[in-house]
Amino acid sequence: RKEVEQDPGPFNVPEGATVAFNCTYSNSASQSFFWYRQDCRKEPKLLMSVYSSGNEDGRFTAQLNRASQYISLLIRDSKLSDSATYLCVVNNQAGTALIFGKGTTLSVSS
Amino acid sequence: GAGVSQSPSNKVTEKGKDVELRCDPISGHTALYWYRQSLGQGLEFLIYFQGNSAPDKSGLPSDRFSAERTGGSVSTLTIQRTQQEDSAVYLCASSFPSWASGGSYEQYFGPGTRLTVT
Repeated sequence: RKEVEQDPGPFNVPEGATVAFNCTYSNSASQSFFWYRQDCRKEPKLLMSVYSSGNEDGRFTAQLNRASQYISLLIRDSKLSDSATYLCVVNNQAGTALIFGKGTTLSVSS
Repeated sequence: GAGVSQSPSNKVTEKGKDVELRCDPISGHTALYWYRQSLGQGLEFLIYFQGNSAPDKSGLPSDRFSAERTGGSVSTLTIQRTQQEDSAVYLCASSFPSWASGGSYEQYFGPGTRLTVT
């Protein structure tokens, strides 16, 4: 099992749609979880941290299920500017590095 | 405030040459990381520095790769005798130090150095 697995997509959705991304991770000892966003030929940027109780930031909602080792990201009312690759990220057991999934590509069209 | 900076932004080199990539982290971030990203691939962890502790070099792909961090700030990644498979974007990130309990703070990335080995 890969350390962090994501559906690569692409997800092609119209503006205003709701889209959900899923991610699974293999290391049950991971303690920190994030979603990063990466635009084409740019560096990754933090979108949001993921907390055990779930958390929301505007149109974005993140959920964590430790028992299933599963993380999700929900984007409501998609905007053209949401088009990017979304990276699921967990830390390694030693806490010395972040392990990145290969990303899920989202394309929002008008 | 100033973010993570990297130089050069682009580097083209001939196979067999050595290259040095530089990273200047965010002031106050004692943890520094190097990753590389090949075309269409995910980020691959290379090395981690935290304060004066011995670096975690577990991600370095071969002994041609080395990195140092002087004075707890600027870091240099050196690739000796470059090969074509070394072509990638090399990303540096910095953060506050990891928790003693094993948790991590978010990392902030520089714009990367795009290395092309011909």
